[in-house]
Amino acid sequence: DTAVSQTPKYLVTQMGNDKSIKCEQNLGHDTMYWYKQDSKKFLKIMFSYNNKELIINETVPNRFSPKSPDKAHLNLHINSLELGDSAVYFCASSRSRGGETQYFGPGTRLLVL
Amino acid sequence: AQSVTQLGSHVSVSEGALVLLRCNYSSSVPPYLFWYVQYPNQGLQLLLKYTSAATLVKGINGFEAEFKKSETSFHLTKPSAHMSDAAEYFCAVSDTGGFKTIFGAGTRLFVKA
Repeated sequence: DTAVSQTPKYLVTQMGNDKSIKCEQNLGHDTMYWYKQDSKKFLKIMFSYNNKELIINETVPNRFSPKSPDKAHLNLHINSLELGDSAVYFCASSRSRGGETQYFGPGTRLLVL
Repeated sequence: AQSVTQLGSHVSVSEGALVLLRCNYSSSVPPYLFWYVQYPNQGLQLLLKYTSAATLVKGINGFEAEFKKSETSFHLTKPSAHMSDAAEYFCAVSDTGGFKTIFGAGTRLFVKA
């Protein structure tokens, strides 16, 4: 059983399009995250949700909108995609707040042409 | 504010040689410290975690790290490198109160036959 899953695994799209990435965790965790990893492997937190409530929103353009329909799901919708959005997006979850181990999904590789 | 510095973006060792990956942290409160490993085209997974129980922490795959408060360091070591250890390694710091984990820039480990 996959603990944290993401779909799709690969996403190739044109500039200006809107796309969504879905994430699900079956670990019973309360906290979920979205990270962006650039081509130099730098990992940057974008959002964090705890019990469906937005806790962290790290100066991300408002073209990015997360949504947590329940504790097990955290989706990411991106409007008007730009070339600079090309990256690997990771979803992660943890049992609760800071100090807990985070469990990462396999990543979604987004390429904007 | 918390921060993490990983010294050396790339480290190359021969198979069977000692692995030493360096991490220094900054934190105004007692930190939780982590080492994560990322294999190619995969998400991050936990290698080990320091939570103040013991300064020498043993992790998976023969890795260990020692917390040194006086040096604000949490270096990762393995006595004998295997080819399968080739990956990207991330040091991270968190505190018990917040939801945010700060990741270092990563160190790519190359293992030569």
